Amino acid sequence: GNSVTQMEGPVTLSEEAFLTINCTYTATGYPSLFWYVQYPGEGLQLLLKATKADDKGSNKGFEATYRKETTSFHLEKGSVQVSDSAVYFCALSDSGYSTLTFGKGTMLLVSP
Amino acid sequence: GAVVSQHPSRVICKSGTSVKIECRSLDFQATTMFWYRQFPKQSLMLMATSNEGSKATYEQGVEKDKFLINHASLTLSTLTVTSAHPEDSSFYICSARQGANEKLFFGSGTQLSVL
Repeated sequence: GNSVTQMEGPVTLSEEAFLTINCTYTATGYPSLFWYVQYPGEGLQLLLKATKADDKGSNKGFEATYRKETTSFHLEKGSVQVSDSAVYFCALSDSGYSTLTFGKGTMLLVSP
Repeated sequence: GAVVSQHPSRVICKSGTSVKIECRSLDFQATTMFWYRQFPKQSLMLMATSNEGSKATYEQGVEKDKFLINHASLTLSTLTVTSAHPEDSSFYICSARQGANEKLFFGSGTQLSVL
């Protein structure tokens, strides 16, 4: 079956530091890959997505590239802000926005 | 953007009682709603999928008689945890979408603690 593995948190960074949150997946076929973000007290929001190999999703300074050869979809940001503090979930689906398989989530804490 | 409201955000109940959690789509009609459960340091696990006007489809291992799901209108789905026990304590999250290939919008979750 499908599965998503992401690095455990919390990840603690200072403002303007470089961020990487690792995500690897196991799936049959060619899944779509997603990153969701959950800010404190809010629901999960779609941050970015990629639907095929070598696609790069990007939004709000965050990027992730669909690497089929390494079955990875690592999330990166060049310079984090305090407002980026949240829980980040990597997820996949077999097609589009159909049933999602989530990772465990990684909490990011950014200090001034 | 679209908003999904989930209520309550936190509930504490005694063992053996039932708890109802509501999930509302505020500015769109949700043909499909999903219910997830998340234990500490674990993934969100899909519990069931509900389509408006029809019975929910439960994932393997989820007791349909314990977790009653009602999706009676295009803007409201409810999850009732019947005869709750301490092992049901978890974080429950709903999501909704308007159509088959539409984005998912998530509620902010409900932390259930059963004493």
